[in-house]
Amino acid sequence: SAVISQKPSRDICQRGTSLTIQCQVDSQVTMMFWYRQQPGQSLTLIATANQGSEATYESGFVIDKFPISRPNLTFSTLTVSNLSPEDSSIYLCSAETGHTQYFGPGTRLTVL
Amino acid sequence: AQSVAQPEDQVNVAEGNPLTVKCTYSVSGNPYLFWYVQYPNRGLQFLLKYITGDNLVKGSYGFEAEFNKSQTSFHLKKPSALVSDSALYFCAVRYNNNDMRFGAGTRLTVKP
Repeated sequence: SAVISQKPSRDICQRGTSLTIQCQVDSQVTMMFWYRQQPGQSLTLIATANQGSEATYESGFVIDKFPISRPNLTFSTLTVSNLSPEDSSIYLCSAETGHTQYFGPGTRLTVL
Repeated sequence: AQSVAQPEDQVNVAEGNPLTVKCTYSVSGNPYLFWYVQYPNRGLQFLLKYITGDNLVKGSYGFEAEFNKSQTSFHLKKPSALVSDSALYFCAVRYNNNDMRFGAGTRLTVKP
């Protein structure tokens, strides 16, 4: 299994600013993922982040809005840029090991 | 199209009674199937998975699930529900090696 931590756990941001979310895994993993989730709803995959290559974005998500870094096998960041109220959501980091995705506790973002 | 369905938005059971949370899928090939649980203000927690082998899979907290290939189902079960089992449950299917799709979620409420 993998233990995943995220920072910050929550934040309130002003429109037009950016928020960077950090994700740390307790072991080296090849594949990491970033998801978005509205409270009580299902998960939507934003992008897959593999170390040593560009992130792969899902339809509807673009690098300019959601730049991702993956500097090593235990860490990734997601930046949500040029924030608008529509970006208010829970952002979840995930890492895969043993064919299974394990999730961080999430970052709850509120944009005013 | 690849999909996973959780036909019930809400399941209510009395404490001590058996519970079932339903999941059906439609994917090509041989999928990997997963169940996750999400408690309020928390990330997703892995419960169990089916990759191959015995159709009955046992997981954390007394949960089990049965893979039924002919019915393309992977229902989550527990013989005796606890109030603490009340949470949001997600079924997920992995296909094409890396693609993962989550169901809409089922809210389980166990009443004392």
